[in-house]
Amino acid sequence: QSALTQPASVSGSPGQSITISCTGTSSDVGGYNYVSWYQQHPGKAPKLMIYEVSNRPSGVSNRFSGSKSGNTASLTISGLQAEDEADYYCSSYTSSSFVVFGGGTKLTVL
Amino acid sequence: QLQLQESGPGLVKPSETLSLTCTVSGGSISSSSYYWGWIRQPPGKGLEWIGSIYYSGSTYYNPSLKSRVTISVDTSKNQFSLKLSSVTAADTAVYYCARQERNYYDSSGPYFDYWGQGTLVTVSS
Repeated sequence: QSALTQPASVSGSPGQSITISCTGTSSDVGGYNYVSWYQQHPGKAPKLMIYEVSNRPSGVSNRFSGSKSGNTASLTISGLQAEDEADYYCSSYTSSSFVVFGGGTKLTVL
Repeated sequence: QLQLQESGPGLVKPSETLSLTCTVSGGSISSSSYYWGWIRQPPGKGLEWIGSIYYSGSTYYNPSLKSRVTISVDTSKNQFSLKLSSVTAADTAVYYCARQERNYYDSSGPYFDYWGQGTLVTVSS
C-alpha cells in the first residue's frame, strides 16, 4: 500500500489562505468519504483537525476546512496565523489495508 | 477526558522483539464504537500506521509489517499491546497509540481522535 501523495512543503504569509493536497486512488481517497487531516507540532503528538473529508472536531478553528474531488482531498487554512506552522498529514481508509497516511507537508508561515 | 499512555523499553537490540503497552484511562477499551491503533514515526519522517485492534480481538495490520506484528488487547486492564519481532535500526521511531473511530455500518476506521504522547524506541546494540 503506497502512501498518499502530499507536497513536501507549502508556505504563506499571515492572513493568507493555503491549500494542501492529498492524492490517492479509487481504493482509498476516491472510494470513501473517510479522509482525515492531522496537525503535528515539533515534538508533539498529531492532532485531528478534519475527519470524514470536511468535518471539524469540537474545538478546531473554523479557519480549517476540508474537501475532496475525485482521488484528491484538500485541506485549506484561511487567515493563516503563526501558530499554524506545523506538519500536516492526511489519512484515508483503504479497502486493501485499512489505513494509509500521506507523506506529510511542512507548512511555513512567512 | 480520555487519555492514552504508552509504556515499554526505550532501547531494543537488533533481532529482538519490541514490546509496548498502551493504557487507556477515562474510557472503556471495550466500547463497540472504537478500534485501538498503533502508529509510528521514524525520526524526521512521516507517520506510518502499524495496526489496529477491536476489543473482541479482531486485528488489522499494515501489509508491509504484518509478518512481524502482533497486537493484542487486555480488556480487564484496559490496555492493548504491540509486539514487533526481528527489529532492525529501521524500526527506530516514536511509537504512538491512538483511539480510532469505528464506523457502525461498514466497520471501517475513518480517523484517530485521541493520541498518546508517544514513546521513542531506539533499536541499537
